[in-house]
Amino acid sequence: AQSVTQLDSQVPVFEEAPVELRCNYSSSVSVYLFWYVQYPNQGLQLLLKYLSGSTLVESINGFEAEFNKSQTSFHLRKPSVHISDTAEYFCAVIRDNQGGKLIFGQGTELSVKP
Amino acid sequence: ETGVTQSPTHLIKTRGQQVTLRCSSQSGHNTVSWYQQALGQGPQFIFQYYREEENGRGNFPPRFSGLQFPNYSSELNVNALELDDSALYLCASSLAGNGGATGELFFGEGSRLTVL
Repeated sequence: AQSVTQLDSQVPVFEEAPVELRCNYSSSVSVYLFWYVQYPNQGLQLLLKYLSGSTLVESINGFEAEFNKSQTSFHLRKPSVHISDTAEYFCAVIRDNQGGKLIFGQGTELSVKP
Repeated sequence: ETGVTQSPTHLIKTRGQQVTLRCSSQSGHNTVSWYQQALGQGPQFIFQYYREEENGRGNFPPRFSGLQFPNYSSELNVNALELDDSALYLCASSLAGNGGATGELFFGEGSRLTVL
């Protein structure tokens, strides 16, 4: 069975500082990996995804994540955060033959302070 | 392009009652998935519908049931409500075939159910 562990429930950080949100997964089969973001009182939005190819994937707003198969990790990073990045971030995994059935981590609350 | 819309946005029920939540999928999407997000938790997969049939189910009891209509919209029904059913219920649509092309899931803003 697959599972996703987000190692930090809350990450407070000052504006313009770098941040890393950690995610580890367990699976015995090939998986696809995702990061979703949830702003207050809103639904989930896809931030970035790894399906195949280059292990480093980037989003349009400066986040990046690197798939590390040997460490079964998919950590999310941003070199300089903004107040507007304050949100809940969810790491998720899906098996390659179970489209639609995302398995989510518990979430990491990123709080960016001025 | 029309996004995923859910209704109602908020509702309050009492234990033992039944509830129906509705979801309109994004234009062109033929697959709908439902998730339950309890307070402070990540979403948990309830089930998925493709071509009007259930196509995968998570660890939820039979009192959680659903429908998908020919226009790909969907309903989630929960019978005999319990206090622990209080949660945000998220609908997500995608363009996927049976057997699961991965695709990106597009989520609605959710229906927040409170059971008293």
